Amino acid sequence: GDSVTQMEGPVTLSEEAFLTINCTYTATGYPSLFWYVQYPGEGLQLLLKATKADDKGSNKGFEATYRKETTSFHLEKGSVQVSDSAVYFCALSGLGTGFQKLVFGTGTRLLVSP
Amino acid sequence: SQTIHQWPATLVQPVGSPLSLECTVEGTSNPNLYWYRQAAGRGLQLLFYSVGIGQISSEVPQNLSASRPQDRQFILSSKKLLLSDSGFYLCAWSVPPGNNEQFFGPGTRLTVL
Repeated sequence: GDSVTQMEGPVTLSEEAFLTINCTYTATGYPSLFWYVQYPGEGLQLLLKATKADDKGSNKGFEATYRKETTSFHLEKGSVQVSDSAVYFCALSGLGTGFQKLVFGTGTRLLVSP
Repeated sequence: SQTIHQWPATLVQPVGSPLSLECTVEGTSNPNLYWYRQAAGRGLQLLFYSVGIGQISSEVPQNLSASRPQDRQFILSSKKLLLSDSGFYLCAWSVPPGNNEQFFGPGTRLTVL
């Protein structure tokens, strides 16, 4: 079945450092791909998404490119801030009409220190 | 605009007690609705989803159940809680079909003692 694999956390960075959180997937066909962010004590918020190969999703300085050849959707940010500290989830959504189910990775915790 | 509410925000319950968590969505009609659980230090586990009133699909066998008595209301229940039911419960909705982005509520922190 469909699955998502994320790098283990926590990822600990200093403010203004470059961030990469790896995400690879296994799926039939070409699913849509998502990054969600969860701040402490809150629900998940959609950070960015890409719906087809070579699409780049971007938001709040974060970017991720849908790479079909490597089945990856790595999250990057050029300069992280303390406020970016959160848990980041990679997810995919299968194809088809009607009900759409998201498959999530286990999440990667990011800790940014001043 | 659409909003999603969950209550209570936090709950502490003894083992063996019943549970009822509620989720409501405003500003949309006939949404797909979802219940997830997030155990400490773990990812999201889809528990139930619903594509319409009275239509519930279970993803994981367990002592929890879900109901959808109204179009925009989704309830998670248990007759007798277990210690392993502790976790962060998230409700989500999406627009069917063709839009697979999900929108999450603020969550309920459940502690079973």
